[in-house]
Amino acid sequence: GQNIDQPTEMTATEGAIVQINCTYQTSGFNGLFWYQQHAGEAPTFLSYNVLDGLEEKGRFSSFLSRSKGYSYLLLKELQMKDSASYLCAVMAHQAGTALIFGKGTTLSVSS
Amino acid sequence: EAGVAQSPRYKIIEKRQSVAFWCNPISGHATLYWYQQILGQGPKLLIQFQNNGVVDDSQLPKDRFSAERLKGVDSTLKIQPAKLEDSAVYLCASSLGDSSNQPQHFGDGTRLSIL
Repeated sequence: GQNIDQPTEMTATEGAIVQINCTYQTSGFNGLFWYQQHAGEAPTFLSYNVLDGLEEKGRFSSFLSRSKGYSYLLLKELQMKDSASYLCAVMAHQAGTALIFGKGTTLSVSS
Repeated sequence: EAGVAQSPRYKIIEKRQSVAFWCNPISGHATLYWYQQILGQGPKLLIQFQNNGVVDDSQLPKDRFSAERLKGVDSTLKIQPAKLEDSAVYLCASSLGDSSNQPQHFGDGTRLSIL
């Protein structure tokens, strides 16, 4: 079966670093995506990993280990506007190019 | 570039009524997806189109849900009759093609409430 797990909620303070973990079990693997979703808004694309290792993009980095079925999203220099839900999603071969999403991690950043 | 457009933004209906949602993808995007997002959950795929053909509708409750993309551009999703459990946000997304590294771009969604 398909299963994607991530923590439900996390809290952090402005300027800090936070790591959001995601573990997955899917039939086939064709890449892992991270999306950010503010309340009442559309998910917006953050990162894509298909090979093992770290992808860095500004304040955000994403890591993938395919052998462990594990990824994390690292957010540095947190800002209040980073308060949002972060969705981990896997593209599995059997799903075509559709994404299988986790339930999302709600991050609250306080001053 | 203009993003994915969806309408209406909100819809409230009573159970057993019908409802339709509309989506206009980003220009040139061949692949279109409809997802259902229940409160507190991640989006779940309902149907995927490649141009005007269906790629995957395995999770679409076909006894009450239907979708079409007749000319390979915009798409409509219909629910008839609606049930209380259909209360959710319906998200449309599009991507350039069927390559795995193409990110999907989402619309703001239609928030459906069933009374």
